[in-house]
Amino acid sequence: AQRVTQPEKLLSVFKGAPVELKCNYSYSGSPELFWYVQYSRQRLQLLLRHISRESIKGFTADLNKGETSFHLKKPFAQEEDSAMYYCALARETASKLTFGTGTRLQVTL
Amino acid sequence: DTGVSQNPRHKITKRGQNVTFRCDPISEHNRLYWYRQTLGQGPEFLTYFQNEAQLEKSRLLSDRFSAERPKGSFSTLEIQRTEQGDSAMYLCASGRTGTGFDEQFFGPGTRLTVL
Repeated sequence: AQRVTQPEKLLSVFKGAPVELKCNYSYSGSPELFWYVQYSRQRLQLLLRHISRESIKGFTADLNKGETSFHLKKPFAQEEDSAMYYCALARETASKLTFGTGTRLQVTL
Repeated sequence: DTGVSQNPRHKITKRGQNVTFRCDPISEHNRLYWYRQTLGQGPEFLTYFQNEAQLEKSRLLSDRFSAERPKGSFSTLEIQRTEQGDSAMYLCASGRTGTGFDEQFFGPGTRLTVL
């Protein structure tokens, strides 16, 4: 069975501080990993996925197969980063997503 | 086409009643997914379709739940004899296969409250 764990329900940081949202997964095969974000009053949307290895809005995430982790990082937090972040796993492209419980990021002045 | 749409956005019903939700995916998308999200949890997979074929159903989907996608376009999710535990946000997403990574685009959700 596949599982995604996000240990923090809430992460509060000051503007300009580094951000790291933790995500660990369990899956016996080679999963596809994603970060989804939900801004206030908006729908869930894809932020980034590990296969593209790109930086979106200053966020990056590296898949560490040894530690089964896919932590989301940003060097300098901005107020507009305040949102709910979900880590998700898929067994293969175009299959169902298994989500973590989410972490609320709160960026304060 | 402005994205995935869901109707109604909110539904309040009494325990024991039947409810039906509708999802209209992005027009060229052949895959359609249903998820359920309760307070404090991430979305949980319920079922998905490729065109009109229902390819997978979660164990969460009891006999009271049924989903259809009759013409491979819009989909409906029906819950019969609703229970208070069915209260949740029901999310629909759509995607397209055959283009490498199949990003899932989510709708705004239907919030169900069972009294």
